[in-house]
Amino acid sequence: GAGVSQSPRYKVAKRGQDVALRCDPISGHVSLFWYQQALGQGPEFLTYFQNEAQLDKSGLPSDRFFAERPEGSVSTLKIQRTQQEDSAVYLCASSPGGKLNTGELFFGEGSRLTVL
Amino acid sequence: AQKITQTQPGMFVQEKEAVTLDCTYDTSDPSYGLFWYKQPSSGEMIFLIYQGSYDQQNATEGRYSLNFQKARKSANLVISASQLGDSAMYFCAMRTGANNLFFGTGTRLTVIP
Repeated sequence: GAGVSQSPRYKVAKRGQDVALRCDPISGHVSLFWYQQALGQGPEFLTYFQNEAQLDKSGLPSDRFFAERPEGSVSTLKIQRTQQEDSAVYLCASSPGGKLNTGELFFGEGSRLTVL
Repeated sequence: AQKITQTQPGMFVQEKEAVTLDCTYDTSDPSYGLFWYKQPSSGEMIFLIYQGSYDQQNATEGRYSLNFQKARKSANLVISASQLGDSAMYFCAMRTGANNLFFGTGTRLTVIP
């Protein structure tokens, strides 16, 4: 597609359920990022892939969060045993090169997760 | 440690007027990049403008310009001739050695007709 595509756009989960959020980056983009944006806050870094390699997962808040990009294109962010504090918008972004240069970071519209 | 500060939770501007959105940053890394993104109600983050720490001139992109004052560690965004479509959240962000962006808390801009 022309841009970064994320699905689902909206997800409501009961506390304790597992959820999976999908990101389809721009074709050919090497780098892929996941961010978490709580209500009224700026995005916070979760994890970064270069092709299929997860180079940085320092932002993942707990071991309930897991991300993968097995073939270097589509990525999935999985949250196990969801908690209310996981409620946020999860943004995916991609970049054409292996290094951020002059702002070539393209974001999707996000997946809004609400945990009841 | 890196830090981005946006002290204006909300700003109002009259249509066709100019507005300045403030951003200060803190880093010990001599090489860094500063970004501004716009986030309309649809949720997508839209890249506006970039300034590298070694760039001698302030960045400009159409109606957007970045007032970069390195000694004061500020990178304010100036939007000239505001339009109704400029109403959105605006985020300042910084990249240092790590390959990701650190974002501020944002400023909500409302353009008044």
